[in-house]
Amino acid sequence: AQSVTQPDIHITVSEGASLELRCNYSYGATPYLFWYVQSPGQGLQLLLKYFSGDTLVQGIKGFEAEFKRSQSSFNLRKPSVHWSDAAEYFCAVGPNFGNEKLTFGTGTRLTIIP
Amino acid sequence: DAGVIQSPRHEVTEMGQEVTLRCKPISGHNSLFWYRQTMMRGLELLIYFNNNVPIDDSGMPEDRFSAKMPNASFSTLKIQPSEPRDSAVYFCASSLARGGSKTDTQYFGPGTRLTVL
Repeated sequence: AQSVTQPDIHITVSEGASLELRCNYSYGATPYLFWYVQSPGQGLQLLLKYFSGDTLVQGIKGFEAEFKRSQSSFNLRKPSVHWSDAAEYFCAVGPNFGNEKLTFGTGTRLTIIP
Repeated sequence: DAGVIQSPRHEVTEMGQEVTLRCKPISGHNSLFWYRQTMMRGLELLIYFNNNVPIDDSGMPEDRFSAKMPNASFSTLKIQPSEPRDSAVYFCASSLARGGSKTDTQYFGPGTRLTVL
């Protein structure tokens, strides 16, 4: 069965510092991979996605992620975080063959300190 | 363009009462998903529809939960009778399925925060 692991439950970063959020997946074929962000009291918003092609994917708000098949990883990066980036970040993998289900990780909560 | 619309945004009810949550997907999307989010269990898929037909309801917790999609622009999630452990944020999402087992981006609504007293 497919699965997603986000090993960091909570990360604290200083404003202006670089950020990397980890995501590891288990999947039997080439996956579709997603990163979503959830601000407090809000729904999930898509940051970026990987379906095929270039393994370095650019997203909104200055985020990027790199698909590394050999490491089964899809880590999210940002060179310089802003206070507004404080939120919960979810990695997801799909499809579940036979249907469109996505499997979500448990999320990483990002705190930004001045 | 309007995103996924959910109503109500907040619902407070007493144990035993019926609760109905509503969702309007993005126009043109043909798949609709209902999720539940809690601190303890994270984000769980309850059920999803494709072309108004339920495809996978394996996440529906028990018979107290039911979901319908009478047409392409409306879906409901009903809990009857409600219990305190049903308190959670319920999200609806929609996507434009590309056929077969393909998946695509799911667009989420703002959620309904349900509190059962």
